[in-house]
Amino acid sequence: GIQVEQSPPDLILQEGANSTLRCNFSDSVNNLQWFHQNPWGQLINLFYIPSGTKQNGRLSATTVATERYSLLYISSSQTTDSGVYFCAVGNFNKFYFGSGTKLNVKP
Amino acid sequence: DGGITQSPKYLFRKEGQNVTLSCEQNLNHDAMYWYRQDPGQGLRLIYYSQIVNDFQKGDIAEGYSVSREKKESFPLTVTSAQKNPTAFYLCASSIWYLQETQYFGPGTRLLVL
Repeated sequence: GIQVEQSPPDLILQEGANSTLRCNFSDSVNNLQWFHQNPWGQLINLFYIPSGTKQNGRLSATTVATERYSLLYISSSQTTDSGVYFCAVGNFNKFYFGSGTKLNVKP
Repeated sequence: DGGITQSPKYLFRKEGQNVTLSCEQNLNHDAMYWYRQDPGQGLRLIYYSQIVNDFQKGDIAEGYSVSREKKESFPLTVTSAQKNPTAFYLCASSIWYLQETQYFGPGTRLLVL
């Protein structure tokens, strides 16, 4: 299967700071999504981004499919951004999640 | 409101017992998925269904079974053959299989007594 590596595994930020989360994957994909899992376990889709760049408020994401990586940018972080961020990739048959980046934003 | 519902929120299983987790969606999505999440880990695919009356095994299907008799429903049975069932189970759906965004339900936490 496709290997998905996320870095860093843990991240502690002061409120207002910016951060970059990285997702590397081992094979060509036609689906890539970023999710945020809140402390209660709910997964919220942030971006569907198999290639290119998208922005949504303080969040933006870039996927360079030819180099097999994606980046999630969080600007002006807030305490509500805390949780685990997952990258998930898929090809025509399967879908694979990384182990996540656990973000803790302190007030 | 459109969305995915899962029930129950918590489920307790006794030794040798089969239990069924419910997943319902009113998004009119063709594809549905079941994932398992262990503490500190990512999600792993158990089963998926691309269309009614069809489903396929994911990476960790042993000890689980599913059915897809209606478009909006995709129940998961955890059988007694699953020796380590304690986990967080998440159901998802998408318009078509592996296309566009997957939407997730709130999850069911299964604990073994």
